[in-house]
Amino acid sequence: DIQMTQSPSSLSASVGDRVTITCRASQSISSYLNWYQQKPGKAPKLLIYAASSLQSGVPSRFSGSGSGTDFTLTISSLQPEDFATYYCQQSYTTGAFTFGPGTKVDIK
Amino acid sequence: QVQLVQSGAEVKKPGSSVKVSCKASGGTFSSYAISWVRQAPGQGLEWMGRIIPILGIANYAQKFQGRVTITADKSTSTAYMELSSLRSEDTAVYYCARDKTTVTTSNTRSYYYYYMDVWGKGTTVTVSS
Repeated sequence: DIQMTQSPSSLSASVGDRVTITCRASQSISSYLNWYQQKPGKAPKLLIYAASSLQSGVPSRFSGSGSGTDFTLTISSLQPEDFATYYCQQSYTTGAFTFGPGTKVDIK
Repeated sequence: QVQLVQSGAEVKKPGSSVKVSCKASGGTFSSYAISWVRQAPGQGLEWMGRIIPILGIANYAQKFQGRVTITADKSTSTAYMELSSLRSEDTAVYYCARDKTTVTTSNTRSYYYYYMDVWGKGTTVTVSS
């Protein structure tokens, strides 16, 4: 299976900060990379698919980039509702999707 | 607009099985795949497997091979995930999610991007003696 890693595992930031989360795949996955946001007690929410495509209804302050093995999720100006845990997920292998371990973003 | 409604919380004994349902409403059930993802308390997301209802074909994560069965009933737009030989480590919230596909074509080659865009609210399964 393709292994996904994320860094950092957690970060503290202030409202208005620019936040960057990195995701790395154990092998090349082209652009088959999705990002999700999850708040406590809630189901995950899709933010970005195919590495850089913004899901409908998601604010434009969220953006994704990268291809191959290295990917980035950027929040251009952190808002109070963005404090959550973020997961990357590869869909390169149809029958064996895998998630990264998550990055928790909390208030500084 | 598709919604996924999951069955209620379950409490099971070690060694038993659990079957969780996920009913789709407001969309064409058979047109999409359904994935199952679980989350143990305080832990991350773990993909378990998926099914394409129109084909009845299921794929499973290697970790769960032999212990999980995912099925779908097109007549009721419902997907099911059954996990057997339960142990305490299977205590988790189990989510179903719609696998949407976007296809792009470049130089006569097609690329299929899968992503989970609609999620159920989750079903808590507690395994305890």
